[in-house]
Amino acid sequence: GENVEQHPSTLSVQEGDSAVIKCTYSDSASNYFPWYKQELGKRPQLIIDIRSNVGEKKDQRIAVTLNKTAKHFSLHITETQPEDSAVYFCAASLWNNDMRFGAGTRLTVKP
Amino acid sequence: NAGVTQTPKFQVLKTGQSMTLQCAQDMNHEYMSWYRQDPGMGLRLIHYSVGAGITDQGEVPNGYNVSRSTTEDFPLRLLSAAPSQTSVYFCASSYEGFYTEAFFGQGTRLTVV
Repeated sequence: GENVEQHPSTLSVQEGDSAVIKCTYSDSASNYFPWYKQELGKRPQLIIDIRSNVGEKKDQRIAVTLNKTAKHFSLHITETQPEDSAVYFCAASLWNNDMRFGAGTRLTVKP
Repeated sequence: NAGVTQTPKFQVLKTGQSMTLQCAQDMNHEYMSWYRQDPGMGLRLIHYSVGAGITDQGEVPNGYNVSRSTTEDFPLRLLSAAPSQTSVYFCASSYEGFYTEAFFGQGTRLTVV
């Protein structure tokens, strides 16, 4: 089955700096790559996603890049704010019969 | 519009007891799924359903049963609870399966003693 690895497990940045989280996946057939944000004690919520036919997608301060050849994708957050502090999960979907998540990255933005 | 609703929010079970975690959605989504979240392991898929009457196993199905008699409801049953099933459980629904955004319930924190 699909295997998703996520790095780093913890990340601390100063407010205003950029944050980058990287994920690799094992199955080249995976075709959907979402990122979820989970605040403490809350449910995961989608912040951005990308499909395998696209190399990059941006939404205000958040961007995701996908390198299908290398089988990795990354989340980029610019101009970080304290409210960006949360756990971020990447995931990879293999058509409609599997969804695998990374282990998560705890991001702390220090004011 | 409530979205995805899970009950209960917290539960303590003794080893060997059985129980059902409830999940309901009001978005008319065909796909529903159950995940467990353990520290340092992200979310792992337990079971999923592509529509009423159809269910399938995910990555970690052992010890759990599901059924889908209606589009709205997708209960998860623990047959004989074990301490290894102590976890936070999330139900999710989506419009087009694992290829679109998953909407999660608020989670159930289960402790098996």
